[in-house]
Amino acid sequence: EVQLVESGGNLVKPGGSLRLSCEASGFTFDTYAMSWVRQAPGKGLEWVSTISLSGGTPYYADSVKGRFTISRDNSINKLFLQMNSLSVEDTAVYFCAKIAVAGSRGPADYWGQGTLVLVSS
Amino acid sequence: DIQMTQSPSTLTASVGDRVTITCRASESIGSRLAWYQQKPGKAPNLLIYKASTLQSGVPSRFSGSGSGTEFTLTINSLQPDDFATYYCQQYSSLYNFGQGTKLEIK
Repeated sequence: EVQLVESGGNLVKPGGSLRLSCEASGFTFDTYAMSWVRQAPGKGLEWVSTISLSGGTPYYADSVKGRFTISRDNSINKLFLQMNSLSVEDTAVYFCAKIAVAGSRGPADYWGQGTLVLVSS
Repeated sequence: DIQMTQSPSTLTASVGDRVTITCRASESIGSRLAWYQQKPGKAPNLLIYKASTLQSGVPSRFSGSGSGTEFTLTINSLQPDDFATYYCQQYSSLYNFGQGTKLEIK
């Protein structure tokens, strides 16, 4: 059974940093690209970042480029999102998601339960 | 960036109705479009990918069509469990979601 479990969400002050983690199990982690998607309270889904299966190619939404860094450690089946220079606009539930097609781009077929990041003074 | 526009934003319907949600892309994305269902407090659930391919385990009353810039999600014979918010997502160039369509019970 595929499982994705996010952690690391917390209350942080504007300008602060936070590192999210996503622990994956139930599939061959290093065969699939992985993404982070966020959802601000009462708002829609926003794609944040995607990383290739090897970790060599990251992609970012313009809203987070230069502030967020996606990475993965295939030896421990974990995905990360380092978030710096946080602003109130980054307040959201952050979901980790597995890309459906092995070795390629595509939709996300499995999602974690989400972790809440609250940026407030 | 490819922009995705869904309509309507809110849709009110009754159990047993047939409903259609539209998603338009700002440029051609071929068939690289997915549809998701999301219920309050839950993660999204993939319904359809490649514009018209039903994800395993999704009821056949859900169907998708379209290519290029215009796509539709149709739900036949609405069930109580279908009242939720629906999102389209393009994966042709990076990834972008539509703003969502909330399907409410009449």
